[in-house]
Amino acid sequence: AQTVTQSQPEMSVQEAETVTLSCTYDTSESDYYLFWYKQPPSRQMILVIRQEAYKQQNATENRFSVNFQKAAKSFSLKISDSQLGDAAMYFCAYRRPEGGGSEKLVFGKGTKLTVNP
Amino acid sequence: GAVVSQHPSRVICKSGTSVKIECRSLDFQATTMFWYRQFPKKSLMLMATSNEGSKATYEQGVEKDKFLINHASLTLSTLTVTSAHPEDSSFYICSARGRRDYEQYFGPGTRLTVT
Repeated sequence: AQTVTQSQPEMSVQEAETVTLSCTYDTSESDYYLFWYKQPPSRQMILVIRQEAYKQQNATENRFSVNFQKAAKSFSLKISDSQLGDAAMYFCAYRRPEGGGSEKLVFGKGTKLTVNP
Repeated sequence: GAVVSQHPSRVICKSGTSVKIECRSLDFQATTMFWYRQFPKKSLMLMATSNEGSKATYEQGVEKDKFLINHASLTLSTLTVTSAHPEDSSFYICSARGRRDYEQYFGPGTRLTVT
């Protein structure tokens, strides 16, 4: 079974600084999807960024980027120019490719990010 | 983007009663919906996956007779917690996936408190 590990239960960063959240995963599949979700205090899950395993280029969404190392099964999230609104729980998630009822997401335990003014 | 709603956002019920939570996809047809449970400061735990018009697939350890899931239309799935007990108190989140989209869109969640 696939597993996702987030080894940092909590992280903090100064406003305007950069922070990196770690995520590793275990799978025997060669094709899959990886996601970072943000869960602010409102509890609404928000998709931050996604990466298709077959793409070598790291995904980027504005201030958010990933470092996807397929051989190492590592998928870290970098938040640049951190803002107070970035404070939230961040969950890394894995999903198998299409078909066979494999759409379910496997989540890590989450990292609580605090942004200090 | 795709919007998923949940109703109610908060519910308090007495032990032994049943409570129904609705999950709706507002602007797309959801062929698959997922129900998660989240304990305080914990990750999301998948309870079951439901496809429109067929029986839900429950994860190991989830009691299907206690957590009844119905996905009768392409825009609505319901989770009924039967004979609720205080240990069922939790935050329940649904997500929905459309026909041509591999992303899951999450609802805002429902906080259930069983007294």
